[in-house]
Amino acid sequence: DGGITQSPKYLFRKEGQNVTLSCEQNLNHDAMYWYRQDPGQGLRLIYYSQIVNDFQKGDIAEGYSVSREKKESFPLTVTSAQKNPTAFYLCASTRDTAGYGYTFGSGTRLTVV
Amino acid sequence: QKEVEQNSGPLSVPEGAIASLNCTYSDRGSQSFFWYRQYSGKSPELIMSIYSNGDKEDGRFTAQLNKASQYVSLLIRDSQPSDSATYLCAVIRGTNAGKSTFGDGTTLTVKP
Repeated sequence: DGGITQSPKYLFRKEGQNVTLSCEQNLNHDAMYWYRQDPGQGLRLIYYSQIVNDFQKGDIAEGYSVSREKKESFPLTVTSAQKNPTAFYLCASTRDTAGYGYTFGSGTRLTVV
Repeated sequence: QKEVEQNSGPLSVPEGAIASLNCTYSDRGSQSFFWYRQYSGKSPELIMSIYSNGDKEDGRFTAQLNKASQYVSLLIRDSQPSDSATYLCAVIRGTNAGKSTFGDGTTLTVKP
């Protein structure tokens, strides 16, 4: 079955450390997105990509970086510049940017220790 | 003012009742509207999408859109305990790279 795989499910980061969250999809979707969710809040957009080798900043891109070298993959790096990274990170995709709903991965829960 | 606002909740209804969830949005250029269900500790799941004014029904779910009032709602008929979750409203402005803006969600509890 097609879907989005996020790994790891849980991640612990030490102060000053960069960590990378994986997102892989086999839905043949062009557009991919990274959102962050804090407790009791909605989703906030970090980065998005409409096509391979192209990506754009979302509303809260500071302290994060991404790459899109393959259609299937859109990894997110949380850098040491992100001062409050503890959150639930969600990767999503949609078949194109014409206004369709998302398919989400199962998420990565990141905690700073 | 937030771009997408939902009733803060929590909302509690008895089993078998109709649950009504509401959402307003600020951008009149919005064209695509979605409801996602999110169980505690899990990722959101798309349950309804609506693009034109009126009602759209899918099983026990009905989405209602009123662009003039900038209002979208979700009705859940014959509510079941398994419907207990947080419901997120999301909006896309035009063809804005498919970027969705989400409300903070309304938590629904269906009591047996």
